[in-house]
Formats: sequence, structure tokens, C-alpha cells
Amino acid sequence: QLVLTQSPSASASLGASVRLTCTLSSGHTNYAVAWHQQQPGKGPRFLMKFNVGGGQNRGDGTPDRFSGSSSGAESYLIISRLQSEDEADYYCQTWGTGGVVFGGGTKLTVL
Amino acid sequence: QVTLKESGPVLLKPSETLTLTCTVSGFSLSDPRLGVAWIRQPPGKALEWLGHIFSSGEQSFTTSLKSRLAFSRDASKSQVVLMMTNVDPADTATYFCVRIDGITLDYWGQGTLITVS
Repeated sequence: QLVLTQSPSASASLGASVRLTCTLSSGHTNYAVAWHQQQPGKGPRFLMKFNVGGGQNRGDGTPDRFSGSSSGAESYLIISRLQSEDEADYYCQTWGTGGVVFGGGTKLTVL
Repeated sequence: QVTLKESGPVLLKPSETLTLTCTVSGFSLSDPRLGVAWIRQPPGKALEWLGHIFSSGEQSFTTSLKSRLAFSRDASKSQVVLMMTNVDPADTATYFCVRIDGITLDYWGQGTLITVS
């Protein structure tokens, strides 16, 4: 069964960069992985998706400070030049044989 | 501009049936590339996929809720409906509908909090 694992929390300073990681469970590699942001008190929004083979899709309005990649069993979301509004929960997501799978989310604190 | 908006009751009693409507704009539910997923989030917890429906009629449900869930769509009204029977306090959550483009969940509704008590 496909499971996505994320660290529950992360923190970084205003203006710095941070890398969030999403790890696919054993035996699962090379999946397209999407990342969604949920700011406090709001619904999630699609940030970007990293496709198998290297391409990516960005959501409407996703700043270019957001980047990342997926390879093998890991997907990374990198946020550069952190701003206060980046403080949020970040969920990775992919498709398994049973349907959509979400990671448990990482709560990012901007110091 | 693509938008999705969930509507329905805010409070239900255990054993009642939940009916939620997702009204969409900015795209057609007849587009063969597009579908709508339902996702929920219990208070303070992570996102949980419930299932999805495509214009082809293809539907899929999370295994744990398959016996209690049904989806339907009315392209002429730009609406997708979720029905969940026999609700329980454990079903208390914010429910979101989300557009699927191919395999990308790219637009989220604002969500609606459903309380079962």
C-alpha cells in the first residue's frame, strides 16, 4: 500500500530557504507528486506538480520562489526567500492504485 | 476563472444522510479530461480523499467508505453531488470538492464544515 511520509513540522527564518520532503513507502518509486498549501484558516490550494520524467505544472499564482523536484522515492518542495505568508501546512499528494493519496502534512513555521 | 463551491447542511444527527452539492464554474463537467474529487479534513487533521467522478461516468471511492458513498453529476447544472449515508460523529469534517485535470488536482473549493452530533 502506497503511503506518503512527511515530517510533521519544519521551521526557517524570514528570507531564508527551506526544503520540505515527501517520501514514498517502500517499493514505490517514480510517481508524479503534487504539493498543496493550506494557510491557517483557509482551504488548500494547488502549488505545483512534479511529473515523472522531469516536467512540472504550476498552479495559478504560484510564485517562482516555489520549486522542487521528484525522483525515485522522494519529492522535494523548496521555498526560497521565505515570507510570512508562507507559514502554512504543506501536503504532498499522488495517485495510488486505490485513488488519491495524501501525506500527513508538514506545518511550516516562519521565524 | 475556475471556481468550485460546496453547499449543504452544516449540522446532522447520527444515522442521517449527508447530501453535499459542488457547484462549478469556469469549466464544463462534460469535458472528458476533467473530473471532481471529494476530500475531507477532520478538525486539526490531515486531508483524506473520499473519491472522484469523471465526465465519462468513471467513479472511484475510498475503500473504507465505499458502502456509504455515492456521487452523481448534472453537467447542465454544473453540479456534482456527494451522498453519504448513516453519518457518525467521526464524519465531522470540512468537506472540499476539487477539480481534477488529468491527474492534477488543480482547483479547490473553499470547503464546508459538516458537524455530526
